Amino acid sequence: SQQGEEDPQALSIQEGENATMNCSYKTSINNLQWYRQNSGRGLVHLILIRSNEREKHSGRLRVTLDTSKKSSSLLITASRAADTASYFCATGTGGGNKLTFGTGTQLKVEL
Amino acid sequence: GAVVSQHPSWVICKSGTSVKIECRSLDFQATTMFWYRQFPKQSLMLMATSNEGSKATYEQGVEKDKFLINHASLTLSTLTVTSAHPEDSSFYICSARPYLTGQSNSYEQYFGPGTRLTVT
Repeated sequence: SQQGEEDPQALSIQEGENATMNCSYKTSINNLQWYRQNSGRGLVHLILIRSNEREKHSGRLRVTLDTSKKSSSLLITASRAADTASYFCATGTGGGNKLTFGTGTQLKVEL
Repeated sequence: GAVVSQHPSWVICKSGTSVKIECRSLDFQATTMFWYRQFPKQSLMLMATSNEGSKATYEQGVEKDKFLINHASLTLSTLTVTSAHPEDSSFYICSARPYLTGQSNSYEQYFGPGTRLTVT
C-alpha cells in the first residue's frame, strides 16, 4: 500500500482561491517533500520540510507537518490557472532518504 | 543549477527488443540516482536505487534481470529495459541526489523530465 495517501484526489477551484491538499503517511520519516507535475512531464520540487519542523513557507506555498498525526498539508494561496497540475507528497526514510510518493492530488484552477 | 536530463524523452520499440534510457546530472555530481516508473494518472513507484560504482538495489517485485541499471560515473546512470513487452510501456523517471556533505539540503532529489516508453 502507499506510504502516502493524499486527499482530495482531485480539486477544482477558481483563480484567486486557496487550495489545500493533505497527505497522510504510516511510518517514521526523515522529511517530507512536495512535488508538482504537469501532465506528462517530470517533477518539480516545491518544498521540503524536515521531521523536526512544523511549518514552512515558500512564496505562495505553506506546508505544515504534524508528526504525531503523521500528516502534512500543502496550501497554495491566491491560486492561478498556471498552478493547474498534479501535486505529490513524498516521504523520505532511511539513511539513503528513499522517497515514497503519495497518490497525488490533481488540481485544476479555472479562470 | 541542479538540472537532470533524460534521453530519449520518448521511444517506441517493438516487443522483444531492448531499450536504454540515460539519466544525467548536468551541473552536479550524484552518488545516488533513483529510477521510478509511473503509469497514467498514477503515482511514481520506486524501482531501484543506483549508487555509483556498485550494484543497484531493487525494490521488491522489480526484476533486476529485466531492468538493468548501470551507474558508471557520478553524473550518469542508465536503465536498460531488456526484452521489452507491451506491459513495460510506462513513463520512466530518474532522479539524482546531489553529493553535498554537510549541507542542509542533502535530502533533496532532482528529477529528470521523464522518458515515455511505448512497446508495440
